[in-house]
Amino acid sequence: LAKTTQPISMDSYEGQEVNITCSHNNIATNDYITWYQQFPSQGPRFIIQGYKTKVTNEVASLFIPADRKSSTLSLPRVSLSDTAVYYCLVGALNSGNTPLVFGKGTRLSVIA
Amino acid sequence: GAGVSQSPSNKVTEKGKDVELRCDPISGHTALYWYRQSLGQGLEFLIYFQGNSAPDKSGLPSDRFSAERTGGSVSTLTIQRTQQEDSAVYLCASSLQLLTDNEQFFGPGTRLTVL
Repeated sequence: LAKTTQPISMDSYEGQEVNITCSHNNIATNDYITWYQQFPSQGPRFIIQGYKTKVTNEVASLFIPADRKSSTLSLPRVSLSDTAVYYCLVGALNSGNTPLVFGKGTRLSVIA
Repeated sequence: GAGVSQSPSNKVTEKGKDVELRCDPISGHTALYWYRQSLGQGLEFLIYFQGNSAPDKSGLPSDRFSAERTGGSVSTLTIQRTQQEDSAVYLCASSLQLLTDNEQFFGPGTRLTVL
């Protein structure tokens, strides 16, 4: 069962790059790594997903080292609206275990 | 509708009563998921459906919890004899297919308060 560990909270100033690292030492071969963003009183929203190496979209980049035991979500030049909780999700469905495990998330506070 | 909808948005009930929470997934999405989020906590996975089938119920917190999905669409999460520790936001999500690399689209949640 892939358990994830993230920092509880992070602070950043506007315009800075923010890197949030998630540890998942027990990741399985068929597990994907997915990051979600959640604003207060809303459901989580998909940000990015990867399996290995680097993935980039219009919102963020995801860096995954070769051993896949961790991943880093990179948010370029954050703004106040990026203040949210960020969840790292590791799992694979039909794996025979509880398939999807969200951690407690990282609460990012962006300061002007 | 354009997204996942859930009803009611808020539910206040007395300890011991039964409650039903409803989820309408995005049309055409075959996979549906239920999560629970307690105040200040992360998401706790409860159960998923592929079509109308839920192959793994081990994530449900107790036998007071049950879920069903009919017609491959609407799903209902039922909590019997509610307890105060059941108070949480219950989130539903759907994805096009039951594949880990499919994005899950979340609804706004149902906030359940058990007095």
